[in-house]
Amino acid sequence: SAVISQKPSRDICQRGTSLTIQCQVDSQVTMMFWYRQQPGQSLTLIATANQGSEATYESGFVIDKFPISRPNLTFSTLTVSNMSPEDSSIYLCSVEYGYTFGSGTRLTVV
Amino acid sequence: GDSVTQMEGPVTLSEEAFLTINCTYTATGYPSLFWYVQYPGEGLQLLLKATKADDKGSNKGFEATYRKETTSFHLEKGSVQVSDSAVYFCALSEGYSSASKIIFGSGTRLSIRP
Repeated sequence: SAVISQKPSRDICQRGTSLTIQCQVDSQVTMMFWYRQQPGQSLTLIATANQGSEATYESGFVIDKFPISRPNLTFSTLTVSNMSPEDSSIYLCSVEYGYTFGSGTRLTVV
Repeated sequence: GDSVTQMEGPVTLSEEAFLTINCTYTATGYPSLFWYVQYPGEGLQLLLKATKADDKGSNKGFEATYRKETTSFHLEKGSVQVSDSAVYFCALSEGYSSASKIIFGSGTRLSIRP
């Protein structure tokens, strides 16, 4: 299975600012996925990121709020923009077929 | 659309008790099924999986059997330990024919008393 490195592992941010989360995979993959886990909740898919094309967002998530980059087959970033306390969550990335997840980024917005 | 329904928590058991966490699914195709575990303050770990009907996934003493006739994938362990205290998520993926995104159940918090 792919090994996924995610950073930062946690951050505390001021409202109105943005945070970029990085996800690095140890092998080339076509698809990467970004999930959000709000406090005490399950995981919800934010978007699917294919290399060389625009990310596909799930209902309730928009590109202006969660822009995603996918510059190559081993790397992706998710930006949480103009943050509010409601964005406090754990954000996780995953890859196709491997069914493994990064260790997550625990974001607190104050 | 596809969905996963799992047992409401929290579940509290004594050490060495038998564990069952129920999970049922709704899917139009032939999904792969998973159990993930999230220990306190940690990320998500794949506990076990099954990719076709009648497959049994197992790991760390946990087992689950893919039952297509009852659309279920219940998690069991014969003798739980305090270290099993965590949140458990049942999930499905539509498999190789689609984007392989994972759909999660709501999670079941398990607490084991010494």
